[in-house]
Amino acid sequence: ETGVTQSPTHLIKTRGQQVTLRCSSQSGHNTVSWYQQALGQGPQFIFQYYREEENGRGNFPPRFSGLQFPNYSSELNVNALELDDSALYLCASSEDAPQEQFFGPGTRLTVL
Amino acid sequence: AQSVTQPDIHITVSEGASLELRCNYSYGATPYLFWYVQSPGQGLQLLLKYFSGDTLVQGIKGFEAEFKRSQSSFNLRKPSVHWSDAAEYFCAVELMEYGNKLVFGAGTILRVKS
Repeated sequence: ETGVTQSPTHLIKTRGQQVTLRCSSQSGHNTVSWYQQALGQGPQFIFQYYREEENGRGNFPPRFSGLQFPNYSSELNVNALELDDSALYLCASSEDAPQEQFFGPGTRLTVL
Repeated sequence: AQSVTQPDIHITVSEGASLELRCNYSYGATPYLFWYVQSPGQGLQLLLKYFSGDTLVQGIKGFEAEFKRSQSSFNLRKPSVHWSDAAEYFCAVELMEYGNKLVFGAGTILRVKS
């Protein structure tokens, strides 16, 4: 059983650009969640997808959007990047709730 | 609003000493509770979880945690710390509303001195 993988590992963008982060969930996991972890803080919930539909959203603006695909992959898209978007972005997959969420290693995004 | 508080930002213990990391939550119903560990540059690994039943739960790597409803606490313990336990530890509550999201505390950084 493969774990949760994320790509890329690191990414550097400039303010105003757009970015797409990718996640591959564990096979059979219908739910994927995305979290933002700023330096020195705990992860903050961005949103969750269940069977390709958004199933919950945290306090993040609409320029944060996502997609989930039938092959257990998903994307986090961020438009109009701001300096404060610099963070570690984690995705986590799980079976139907409530279940343990399995986290990927994260993508470190730096916005200059 | 639901919140998770980890009062200790940093804790330093000697190798072989016991450890207790504190976690308090603010949530109306009985929550699902988790402890995760994060090593530098890595994702989160689940140490243990509480859904219901026995309030003392055992996890991996010799960790345990006790749920105390009256104190809204879920403290993590280990009787003898190893140098490899140095990492950041996060307590989290799972909220079952409009999906199931984890609300994390700010984390406690554990340093182990030899």
